[in-house]
Amino acid sequence: SQQGEEDPQALSIQEGENATMNCSYKTSINNLQWYRQNSGRGLVHLILIRSNEREKHSGRLRVTLDTSKKSSSLLITASRAADTASYFCATVSMDSSYKLIFGSGTRLLVRP
Amino acid sequence: EAGVTQSPTHLIKTRGQQVTLRCSPISGHTSVYWYQQALGLGLQFLLWYDEGEERNRGNFPPRFSGRQFPNYSSELNVNALELEDSALYLCASSLGLGGYGYTFGSGTRLTVV
Repeated sequence: SQQGEEDPQALSIQEGENATMNCSYKTSINNLQWYRQNSGRGLVHLILIRSNEREKHSGRLRVTLDTSKKSSSLLITASRAADTASYFCATVSMDSSYKLIFGSGTRLLVRP
Repeated sequence: EAGVTQSPTHLIKTRGQQVTLRCSPISGHTSVYWYQQALGLGLQFLLWYDEGEERNRGNFPPRFSGRQFPNYSSELNVNALELEDSALYLCASSLGLGGYGYTFGSGTRLTVV
């Protein structure tokens, strides 16, 4: 079963613009991770944020986490056509099951 | 360093047949996870193996099974294939238990006809 929902389901922007994707989850978490998937192939790990962190940066990526609202956001700044992909958030719960539970994903299209 | 490798990349099977998918984790990773990504259903957790043992199982019928070998590679077996088993099957490995990002393979695309 899915942990939560991602919003929006699809996003189309112009190259150079910023893209923001949101993720909500249901249970208490150990950490939250973001992944990218190109053309229905394997997922690439982008960034991990722990439950005691509020914000994290990696290159053009900025992730925030609000555990009180059980939500996270991924911001991609100065987007490029190569950023076109599906983006998924995934959570590791506090129950020590250690498995990643994925959200439904956001399809991002960056127009050149 | 080699990534997570999966084989085969594509597979076509007939309903009722059996299939075996293979996964080799990154060297040093002892945990292997299997996910199913069916069209329109997102990524569903299937199985987790660590140190040769099945540690957790998703909400899938018993005809989905697997094992992990002493070298930490893993197999996913699906018996009595059904049309709805058509999906991308992804394997991932991890350095530690839950506190690290997972590295995914490119997947096996299974089509059941």
